[in-house]
Amino acid sequence: DTAVSQTPKYLVTQMGNDKSIKCEQNLGHDTMYWYKQDSKKFLKIMFSYNNKELIINETVPNRFSPKSPDKAHLNLHINSLELGDSAVYFCASSHGRTSYEQYFGPGTRLTVT
Amino acid sequence: GNSVTQMEGPVTLSEEAFLTINCTYTATGYPSLFWYVQYPGEGLQLLLKATKADDKGSNKGFEATYRKETTSFHLEKGSVQVSDSAVYFCALSDTGGFKTIFGAGTRLFVKA
Repeated sequence: DTAVSQTPKYLVTQMGNDKSIKCEQNLGHDTMYWYKQDSKKFLKIMFSYNNKELIINETVPNRFSPKSPDKAHLNLHINSLELGDSAVYFCASSHGRTSYEQYFGPGTRLTVT
Repeated sequence: GNSVTQMEGPVTLSEEAFLTINCTYTATGYPSLFWYVQYPGEGLQLLLKATKADDKGSNKGFEATYRKETTSFHLEKGSVQVSDSAVYFCALSDTGGFKTIFGAGTRLFVKA
């Protein structure tokens, strides 16, 4: 009964490959996010979706493409992986307009070799 | 634009010591303020929050007061435990609620 789940937890791949990370939340929230956390723990927002609509798209390379098939899912697809993409990626969700606190998934550690 | 500045770490304390982690913010309007905690190998989890000036958020012995006059939201705990060792993030959400700005995080080590 995990609130926000992500798969896979670890992802090791080579440069140039394409990979996807899946996220699901069972909290009934309207808003979902993707964050990237670097090795110094700095957390940077990448995307935010509200009711399946993209509302925040920070300066992220267009190799990163989010997809929200429904309110409970927000997947992240990454094309042509680069060494600098190595990081921990967190999915999160929140009610959106009524409550701003966020619930985070356990993270996906991506290592590009 | 909105921003959050928190003290650099790491902070190293002995068990039962008093903890303060400073956080100041810049924002227009009346943001909500948060402290999140990240234990090793896990995602962030909400520790406490305050939604308006002079509110005090508290949880698990941690406290923080929303000070609009000093634009601060400092985290305090009277007696830390080894299990409090983690990275602490100060954050604010604008009135729209869709974007949360996180500070750089402060790593806390508590020694037995």
